[in-house]
Amino acid sequence: EAGVTQFPSHSVIEKGQTVTLRCDPISGHDNLYWYRRVMGKEIKFLLHFVKESKQDESGMPNNRFLAERTGGTYSTLKVQPAELEDSGVYFCASSQSVRGRKAYEQYFGPGTRLTVT
Amino acid sequence: GQSLEQPSEVTAVEGAIVQINCTYQTSGFYGLSWYQQHDGGAPTFLSYNALDGLEETGRFSSFLSRSDSYGYLLLQELQMKDSASYFCAVASGSNYQLIWGAGTKLIIKP
Repeated sequence: EAGVTQFPSHSVIEKGQTVTLRCDPISGHDNLYWYRRVMGKEIKFLLHFVKESKQDESGMPNNRFLAERTGGTYSTLKVQPAELEDSGVYFCASSQSVRGRKAYEQYFGPGTRLTVT
Repeated sequence: GQSLEQPSEVTAVEGAIVQINCTYQTSGFYGLSWYQQHDGGAPTFLSYNALDGLEETGRFSSFLSRSDSYGYLLLQELQMKDSASYFCAVASGSNYQLIWGAGTKLIIKP
């Protein structure tokens, strides 16, 4: 079974540019999450999809961030325009849509390291 | 606010036992998870405790006391490959989102 994949692994862009991150969850996982870790800080929740619907986007920093999940499969996170403080590692995770303990077992991708200069 | 506290760094000897503590203060609580992350890698799920008590999975055990808002991860028979960062994370709501601690870097010496 393939794990969660993210693309690109690294991205270096200039302030004001646009970047789109992609996440492919584990096949069959309805839940998809985006998290971000800024250097030296803890991992922070950004948003949660259930299939193609945004269940919770309370962690999105501002309207420069736009997440989509086409057809309930892969997801993209677009930052436009990027600012210096957006630098960090963006993680995607997925989990099964089941009740009980298994629902809380999230599988993470390797992350995209974004550097805004 | 919501916060999780865990030590920033712990050092132990190969073959020994180490305990990584986590205290939390969150508006909601469904359970406490532990994740392992090697440098540059993806966080990997280790355990999830929803009820009080100790749960064992091989060399790793996780404990939860909801009344004390406290949990710990116990690693036994430490191996060099266990050198990594360990994160506690609280599932605070029914939407399964996680609130994370800052991570504990575990350094293992031969």
